[in-house]
This record gives sequence, structure tokens and C-alpha cells, in this order.
Amino acid sequence: GEDVEQSLFLSVREGDSSVINCTYTDSSSTYLYWYKQEPGAGLQLLTYIFSNMDMKQDQRLTVLLNKKDKHLSLRIADTQTGDSAIYFCAESNPDSSYKLIFGSGTRLLVRP
Amino acid sequence: SAVISQKPSRDICQRGTSLTIQCQVDSQVTMMFWYRQQPGQSLTLIATANQGSEATYESGFVIDKFPISRPNLTFSTLTVSNMSPEDSSIYLCSVVSQGAGQPQHFGDGTRLSIL
Repeated sequence: GEDVEQSLFLSVREGDSSVINCTYTDSSSTYLYWYKQEPGAGLQLLTYIFSNMDMKQDQRLTVLLNKKDKHLSLRIADTQTGDSAIYFCAESNPDSSYKLIFGSGTRLLVRP
Repeated sequence: SAVISQKPSRDICQRGTSLTIQCQVDSQVTMMFWYRQQPGQSLTLIATANQGSEATYESGFVIDKFPISRPNLTFSTLTVSNMSPEDSSIYLCSVVSQGAGQPQHFGDGTRLSIL
């Protein structure tokens, strides 16, 4: 079945760039998402990319997709303490009725 | 994007009781889903809520335990039945709005604790 994997933890210094990585197994993945979850909160959609794209940039966020290696990354430029949260990678495709398959989440800690 | 309201936001319940969670959207959506997030874990899909028909459940989830209704294109409910401490989780509703290429958005979730 489909599987999405992420590293569990990342620690960076405030002002540095953060790169969170994700790998997936489903070659028919159509949509790839990044969600942010702050403590005690729901899931906030940060950004998403279609499988026919290589890159998407939105202000401080850059998403890179390597479809050949089934690798997705999220780069956060000028990371701030408010970026400390859990970041979930997820994928979906129309063959699976668009249900989301989530990674385990990466906890990002931003040190002052 | 659609505004999603989930009620209640949190609850503490006694074992053996049932709780119904509501998900209301401010616009018509094509798809509605219910997910569970157990403490310290990622999200797992419980079921797809189908408008006017029975929900489609994922492996490991059954209708008797998690009955779901979706009477129209803007509203759904999830009931957690005969609760036990193992049901303590966050339950989240998500929606996909009408239109091609729409992403999936989540409500704020319902934090459920079973004593």
C-alpha cells in the first residue's frame, strides 16, 4: 500500500533556513501537501503541489518535487520561532478518491 | 477557501457513552472526510462521508463504532459510540471544495478524552 515517510525531528537556529524532507511510494500520487500543526491546534494547509510541477514558491516557502525519486521537500527561509510546529507531508490521488495518506510528521524546533 | 466549523472543540466523556461531532462548512463541497489523530501520532482516515448514502470506511473502522451522516453538501456528523479510553484522540473533519484541483482543508478538530 501507499506509504509516506518523514524524519521525526529537526532543530534550527532562528534566521536559518529549514528543510523538511518526505518520501512517498505511490507513483500515481497527484497532489502532494504540506500541513502545519501547532500545539493544541488543527491542521493548517501550508502549500501543495501537483505532480506535474517541479517547484512551487510562496513567500518564505519553497516546495521541491523530484518525481523520479518520489521525494518532496519543504524549505522555510528565514525560520522564525513562530514556525516551531509539526509539519506533515501528505499525498493523494483520484484513484484513491483523494483520501490523504500522511507521513508521521516532522517536529521543527526553532532555537532563538 | 471554505470555512469549516467543528463542534464541540473538546469534550471529556465517560466510558460506554457516545458523542456526536458536527462539521459545518460555509459553502458546498464535493468531498468530506473524517480523520483520527491518536496522541502523538499522525492522522488516519476513518471514512469518506458520502452525501445521501452510507459512508465508505477504511480498514479497521466500522459503521457500528463510527456512524457517519452527510445529509447535504455542507454538513456531516461523526458519532463515536460506546467509547473506551482507547478512543481518546483528536477527530478532524476535512473537505474538498468544488472546482478542479482544489486542495483538502481541515477543521480545528475535536479533542476527545474518555475517562
